[in-house]
This record gives sequence, structure tokens and C-alpha cells, in this order.
Amino acid sequence: GNSVTQMEGPVTLSEEAFLTINCTYTATGYPSLFWYVQYPGEGLQLLLKATKADDKGSNKGFEATYRKETTSFHLEKGSVQVSDSAVYFCALHAGGTSYGKLTFGQGTILTVHP
Amino acid sequence: DAGVIQSPRHEVTEMGQEVTLRCKPISGHNSLFWYRQTMMRGLELLIYFNNNVPIDDSGMPEDRFSAKMPNASFSTLKIQPSEPRDSAVYFCASSFRGQGSTEAFFGQGTRLTVV
Repeated sequence: GNSVTQMEGPVTLSEEAFLTINCTYTATGYPSLFWYVQYPGEGLQLLLKATKADDKGSNKGFEATYRKETTSFHLEKGSVQVSDSAVYFCALHAGGTSYGKLTFGQGTILTVHP
Repeated sequence: DAGVIQSPRHEVTEMGQEVTLRCKPISGHNSLFWYRQTMMRGLELLIYFNNNVPIDDSGMPEDRFSAKMPNASFSTLKIQPSEPRDSAVYFCASSFRGQGSTEAFFGQGTRLTVV
């Protein structure tokens, strides 16, 4: 079946540090890949996405590249801010007859200190 | 569009009572998902619908849980009777199944506390 594995959290960084959150996936076919972010007390919001191999998704300084050879979609940001503190979820959409169903990773809590 | 709208935002109820959570998806979306989020189990998919028809309810934990989607603009998740272990944040999400990727849009959730 389809699955997503994220690096264990929580992750604690100082402001302006470099961020990497690892994500690997298992899926048949050619899935689309997503990163969602959840700020405290809110629902999940789409952060970025990539729909085919070698695509790079980017938004708000975050980037992730769809690597089919390593089945990975790692999230990176060069300089984090306190406002980036949130829970980050990696997800995939398998396509076909999955009706838009997303498979999520377990989430990674990020805390950024001033 | 106002996005996915869930109500209530917070619900506190006593064990044994019936609880109904409501969701209005984004207009034009044809898939709707109910998720449950807890610290212990993370984000779990309970059930999803396509064109108002339930496609997969294998995530529904017990017969105490039921979900309906009587039309394209409304869905309910009902727990009867509720138990303390049902305490969680329940999210509704919707998406459009069409060409290209199908990202889901989430509501702000209903925080359920069963005492």
C-alpha cells in the first residue's frame, strides 16, 4: 500500500538556522507529493506541492524536490523564523481511483526560538 | 470562497451523549474527507465521499461512528454514544477530483471533549 514516513520530531532550531525535514514515500505509479503546515489551533494548509519527478515545489521560502530515484520529498528552508513554528505534514496522492485521498506522514513539530 | 466550514469549533459533552459534527465543503468540490487528530495517533482518515457517495469507511473506529453526505454542500459525522476516548480534533477536508493534482483544503476543525 501507499505510505509516507517523516523524520522523527520534534525539531527545535534558533531563528535563521537552516531547516531540513526528511520525507520518504512508498507508492505504486506516479504519485503527487505535498507538504502541509498546521499552525497552532488551525487546520492544515497546503504549503507546496510537486506533481512529477524532478519538480521543485516552493512557497514562503520553503522548497522540496520530488526525487523518484530516492522516493523522497525533503522540506528545506534556508533561514527559519519564529513564525515558522508549526507542525509539518508530508503527504502523497496516489492518483488513479483514489478520489483525491491523501496519505499523510505522522507530522513533525518544529519550534523556532528567537 | 469561504473555504471549508466546520461547526461547532468546540464541543464539550458528557459521556453517553450524541454528538454531531457538521461540514460544508468548498463549492464545486466533489470529494469530502473526515479526519481525526490526536496526540497519540496523529492524523487518521475516518471516511471519505466522492459525489456524495461513501467510498471507504474502513477508518471509522466503531459502529458508534457514522457519517452522511445528503448533498454536495453538507456532511455530518455523528458519534452515538460518545466516550471520553473520542476526545480529539475532527477535521473535514474537500477536494476536486479532476485533471492534475488534487490537493485537499481543510476546515479549522472541531475540538471535541467528552467528559
